[in-house]
Amino acid sequence: QVQLVQSGAEVKWPGASVRVSCKASAYTFNDHYVNWVRQAPGQGLEWMGIINPFSGSATYAQRFQDRVTMTRDTSTSTVYLDLSSLRFEDTAVYYCARMGISYYLDYWGQGTLVTVSS
Amino acid sequence: QSALTQPRSVSGSPGQSVTISCTGTSSDVGYYNYVSWYQQHPGKAPKLLIYDVSKWPSGVPDRFSGSKSGNSASLTISGLQAEDEADYYCCSYAGSYSYVFGSGTKVTVL
Repeated sequence: QVQLVQSGAEVKWPGASVRVSCKASAYTFNDHYVNWVRQAPGQGLEWMGIINPFSGSATYAQRFQDRVTMTRDTSTSTVYLDLSSLRFEDTAVYYCARMGISYYLDYWGQGTLVTVSS
Repeated sequence: QSALTQPRSVSGSPGQSVTISCTGTSSDVGYYNYVSWYQQHPGKAPKLLIYDVSKWPSGVPDRFSGSKSGNSASLTISGLQAEDEADYYCCSYAGSYSYVFGSGTKVTVL
């Protein structure tokens, strides 16, 4: 059974950085791109970017270009989301989601709550 | 990239049909046949319902159906059931490995 298991909740100060991990299992890691999607409290889904686990190359949504980095570790089948210069409005649940054989997101992680608070 | 436009809410009685619209542009919904739909219950991760405009992943009942015309896509839920009460999001591929989600629609079963 394909699974994406994410790291636990985080509480960060404004201006800090956060790293969220997403460990994949039960499929060939290199064969599927992984997306990151976030959801602020009471709000909709927002696409943040995508990483190719084979090459490590990533594409980011324009509004996050200067603050986000997506990386992967093929030895552990894990992808990482790093978000810097955190603001209160970055408080959200962050999801990783696998891209299927076409352009859709077929398996999702359980979500990681990141709270930015002073 | 602006969010795709969905109605904030739709409602229906059990057994009825409801349709959720999703309006984009000629650069996303109108250009690519890669519209997908997701169901999200409170506190849960989204679940894939429809992909490539009108295809079903394994395990999704055919009460859920998708279509597209021009810059707009639609999700129809037939034979509405209590467990269909949830938030629904459309999503379109927008080229160069980028995506845009819809604003989300809350479905209420009366």
